[in-house]
Order: sequence, then C-alpha cells, then structure tokens
Amino acid sequence: DAGITQSPRHKVTETGTPVTLRCHQTENHRYMYWYRQDPGHGLRLIHYSYGVKDTDKGEVSDGYSVSRSKTEDFLLTLESATSSQTSVYFCAISESDGARCFFGSGTRLTVV
Amino acid sequence: GESVGLHLPTLSVQEGDNSIINCAYSNSASDYFIWYKQESGKGPQFIIDIRSNMDKRQGQRVTVLLNKTVKHLSLQIAATQPGDSAVYFCAEILNTGGFKTIFGAGTRLFVKA
Repeated sequence: DAGITQSPRHKVTETGTPVTLRCHQTENHRYMYWYRQDPGHGLRLIHYSYGVKDTDKGEVSDGYSVSRSKTEDFLLTLESATSSQTSVYFCAISESDGARCFFGSGTRLTVV
Repeated sequence: GESVGLHLPTLSVQEGDNSIINCAYSNSASDYFIWYKQESGKGPQFIIDIRSNMDKRQGQRVTVLLNKTVKHLSLQIAATQPGDSAVYFCAEILNTGGFKTIFGAGTRLFVKA
C-alpha cells in the first residue's frame, strides 16, 4: 500500500476512553489525511495535514484531534470515544493538494 | 477485513464481458476526477484519472469517460476478470482556493466466473 502503515489494524474500546490511531508513511509525501468510511457513505475527511505541525479540519472533525510532529507520522486521537465513532478509518497521503491519494489498509475501530 | 458497505449499488457481470460503472458528480466547477478500486479488507487504490478539459482517457483495460454537460463520469472495464471484483469509487476534486475531494458512495462489482 505505497509505503503506508496504519496501526492498529483492529481495536475494540469502551465508550469514554481515549484512542489514538497511527499512520506512518515512507514516501515523504507532504499531505496526509484521515478519513472514515461508513456504510452508505463515501469516504469522509476528518482532518488533514499539509506539513509538519500544519493541520486543518475536514468535514467530520468533531470529537477528533490530530498531530503531525514528523513528516512520516500522522496521529488521529479520539478524545473520548463514542459509539458513533465506530467505523473504518483510513489514512491517505498525496504529493500535493488535490492530487491522487494513496491509502493505507485501514483500522477497524469498534466502540462498545 | 474491513467491509465497505452493505447497501451499495451492485453490478454483476459475466467474466469476459465489459463492465460500465457510472457516477454522477455534484459540482460543475470540479476540474479533476479520479476512479478508485477498493478490494475487501484493503484501502482504495488509484485506477485512472481525468482532467475536466478531456472527455476520454484510456488505461490498461480501463477507460474513463467524462460528460460535463450532465455531470456524469463512467468507468469502462474491458474483458472483466474475477480480480476486478471490488467496490469502485469516483472522486471529484474541486478547487475552491484550496482543493476539496468529494468521494462517491461507490458501486460494488461482482464478476461471475
């Protein structure tokens, strides 16, 4: 998957707990994205980053925060997990804004 | 693996036939379009793209057609193979000062052997 590693691949967590998902790339791409994928919806953007320490909100950012301290790592944190955040989360990278994306294999998160 | 969706439009074709997957996009100002393929348990993968100044682009066994008049995009797969079974997404990229990517919900393609 184009040098993108997501961890963990699967996680079950309890409502109210914090959760951090990690995305690591070896392509040195500037842009990194976090999407969620739910039945009946297209991929929806949570947050994205356009450089180290440069991040911005997507369309479904409430309840999520991100950090990018290094080019290769982009972390997604659910501050207090809720059942509505049960989803499959994909990290993606691109060389430039609006360019085609390369996606990781996804993290299935279940909040019980 | 990760499931994509339970209620997607579905296209079922016989192995060896041609497949046509359609997508209606929303914004007439979108100037770049991408088709992605997502196999079960994997992330989406780039297939082919097209700029708004083109109406057709061909790749290996795939062709994308763009009709800006009716805001319609199609993906044609020639001689469909079992390995083509997947969910196919179109994405439109809109330049609003920064770029915004809007993904379609997808179409599931089943290839019957």
